[in-house]
Amino acid sequence: QKEVEQDPGPLSVPEGAIVSLNCTYSNSAFQYFMWYRQYSRKGPELLMYTYSSGNKEDGRFTAQVDKSSKYISLFIRDSQPSDSATYLCAMSGSAGGTSYGKLTFGQGTILTVHP
Amino acid sequence: ETGVTQTPRHLVMGMTNKKSLKCEQHLGHNAMYWYKQSAKKPLELMFVYNFKEQTENNSVPSRFSPECPNSSHLFLHLHTLQPEDSALYLCASSPWTSGGAGNEQFFGPGTRLTVL
Repeated sequence: QKEVEQDPGPLSVPEGAIVSLNCTYSNSAFQYFMWYRQYSRKGPELLMYTYSSGNKEDGRFTAQVDKSSKYISLFIRDSQPSDSATYLCAMSGSAGGTSYGKLTFGQGTILTVHP
Repeated sequence: ETGVTQTPRHLVMGMTNKKSLKCEQHLGHNAMYWYKQSAKKPLELMFVYNFKEQTENNSVPSRFSPECPNSSHLFLHLHTLQPEDSALYLCASSPWTSGGAGNEQFFGPGTRLTVL
């Protein structure tokens, strides 16, 4: 079993749709949860960063973490063609732990938002 | 230059060649990382340097040799690579403080490596 599972898609939605991207994980030591966006021929760009369980909102983006279910989500409201990219979830352990700073990534979900 | 830069952006090499990838960060960070990104596979952490000291080698073959002369520069020396080493090699940097900032990693654009 992979430590982090992410549906690779591809996912295609019309402009204006609400997009839901998800990852599940198996390592209960993970405390920090990140979402990266990667455009074609570019490096990943940090989009959202959360610690432990709960929600975090930033503009059209909302990140949710449910540690009891080992499940994280990224919601994109009013999706735009410029949101078309690969979205990567990443996670790591607590400060001082052996996995701190060592990000474990999901495979990435390819998202296309068409006009 | 801002952020994290990587050179070259593209590299084609034969299996007997020796080449080096360069990464430079302009963010004042103390930790630097090398990752490998292959098609249809998650990013794989290769090496971690914290304050110029290597703190992680994720079972990487010795044909990959990292070097970190200071907190702003990171190199990956390549020799006798195999075709399966063809991938996008990404460099990242982060602060290394308590409170989780070490997880906020900023990536460069990567070097697309092809081994013939």
